[in-house]
Amino acid sequence: EDQVTQSPEALRLQEGESSSLNCSYTVSGLRGLFWYRQDPGKGPEFLFTLYSAGEEKEKERLKATLTKKESFLHITAPKPEDSATYLCALTTSGTYKYIFGTGTRLKVLA
Amino acid sequence: DAGITQSPRHKVTETGTPVTLRCHQTENHRYMYWYRQDPGHGLRLIHYSYGVKDTDKGEVSDGYSVSRSKTEDFLLTLESATSSQTSVYFCAISESLTADEQYFGPGTRLTVT
Repeated sequence: EDQVTQSPEALRLQEGESSSLNCSYTVSGLRGLFWYRQDPGKGPEFLFTLYSAGEEKEKERLKATLTKKESFLHITAPKPEDSATYLCALTTSGTYKYIFGTGTRLKVLA
Repeated sequence: DAGITQSPRHKVTETGTPVTLRCHQTENHRYMYWYRQDPGHGLRLIHYSYGVKDTDKGEVSDGYSVSRSKTEDFLLTLESATSSQTSVYFCAISESLTADEQYFGPGTRLTVT
C-alpha cells in the first residue's frame, strides 16, 4: 500500500536555528513529490515539486531534497513567519491520487 | 494566488439536512478535487473531476455527491448531513492529473449539529 509518513509531528525552533523536516514514503512508482505550507484557517500553499532522486529545489530559507525513500525540507535560519504546518504529498504512476502526509507543525520562536 | 474561491466559508447545519458547497476557479484548469481535512488525518480525497460532467470517487466518497456542469464550477453535496461529516473541506485544482501540483482554495468549515 502506498504510504507517506511525516516526522516529527511538531517542532519548535528558536529563530535562526536550522533544522529539517522529513517525509518518508513507500510507493510502487513515484510520479511526483510535493511540499505545501498551510497556515491556520487557510488552504495549503504550494512550495515545491520534486520528480526524481537527487533533485533539489530552493526558495528563500527553504530547500527540498529527494531520495528514493524520503524527502527533506531543510529550513535555514528560520524566522517566526516560517511558523506553519508543512505538508508532504506524492502521486504515483499507477493511480490518480495525491497521497498526503499528516504534516509537521513548525513553531519558530523569536 | 490561484483564482479559487469556495462558498460558503463557514456553515452550521443540522443532521439530516442537505448541504451544497461550491468551488469556483478562474484558472481554466481541467482537474478539480474535493478534500476533507480532519485532525490526525491527512487531506483525504472525496471526489474529483477530470472535465465537465466527468467525475469519479475518491477514498472517502460515501455520503457525498458532486457535479460539474461548467469548467469553472465544482459542487459538493452532502445529501443528508451527519455529525461525522463535520470537517474542513478544501477544493483544489490542477492542470494534469498527477504530474503537477495542486492549488487549493481557502476552505469551508462545516459543522453538523
